[in-house]
Amino acid sequence: DQQVKQNSPSLSVQEGRISILNCDYTNSMFDYFLWYKKYPAEGPTFLISISSIKDKNEDGRFTVFLNKSAKHLSLHIVPSQPGDSAVYFCAASRGTNKLIFGTGTLLAVQP
Amino acid sequence: GAVVSQHPSWVICKSGTSVKIECRSLDFQATTMFWYRQFPKQSLMLMATSNEGSKATYEQGVEKDKFLINHASLTLSTLTVTSAHPEDSSFYICSAKFRDTDNSPLHFGNGTRLTVT
Repeated sequence: DQQVKQNSPSLSVQEGRISILNCDYTNSMFDYFLWYKKYPAEGPTFLISISSIKDKNEDGRFTVFLNKSAKHLSLHIVPSQPGDSAVYFCAASRGTNKLIFGTGTLLAVQP
Repeated sequence: GAVVSQHPSWVICKSGTSVKIECRSLDFQATTMFWYRQFPKQSLMLMATSNEGSKATYEQGVEKDKFLINHASLTLSTLTVTSAHPEDSSFYICSAKFRDTDNSPLHFGNGTRLTVT
C-alpha cells in the first residue's frame, strides 16, 4: 500500500519557468512533510519541509504548499534552472516516526 | 553541519559472501539511524530502524537474519548483507536525524551501490 504517491514519473520544464511537482498521501495522521532532491548514485538531499499546521512554506526559489483536506502537497520551483534537474521525492511522517517516501518525479529543466 | 558519511560507495561481491556497509554521523550524535533500499526507478523503502545500544526494528518483509544491523555507538551504524545473492543487488542508503526528538529532517549518506555476481 503506497501511502505517499507521486503520480508523475517525469516532468520537463523550460529554464526560467515554474516547475510544479505534486504529491498525494492517504494517511491523514501524517503531520510532517518534506521534499528531497536526489541525483543518480547519491543520497537524497533535504530541500524543504512543512508542518501540518501550515499550508505554505517558502525558502528562496522553493515553495511547498499543503492542502490537508485534499491530502495533497506540491513543490514549486521558480525560476527553474538546469541545475534543478534531478529526481524529487516527497516524504511524510507522523510525529517523529519513520519517513515514508513517494516514488519520485524526474525533473528535467531544459536550457 | 549534519553530515552523514557512508562507506563504501560501491561494492561488488560474489554470491554467498557477506558485505558490511558503514554509516557514520560526522558532526552529531544519532541515537537512531535508518536504513533504506532503493531499486531502480523506485522509491526509497525503509528496511529498518537502527537504535543505539539495542536491537534494530525491521520493517515487514525484511529478513533480520539476512540484513544484520549493529548500532554500536552514537555515531556508527553498520548494515551487513549476509550470504548475498544477486537479488540483493541494490542501492542502500543510511540516514540520521540531527535531533532525534523533533521533526527535523533526515540527513542521508551518499549511498552504497551493491552488485552481487
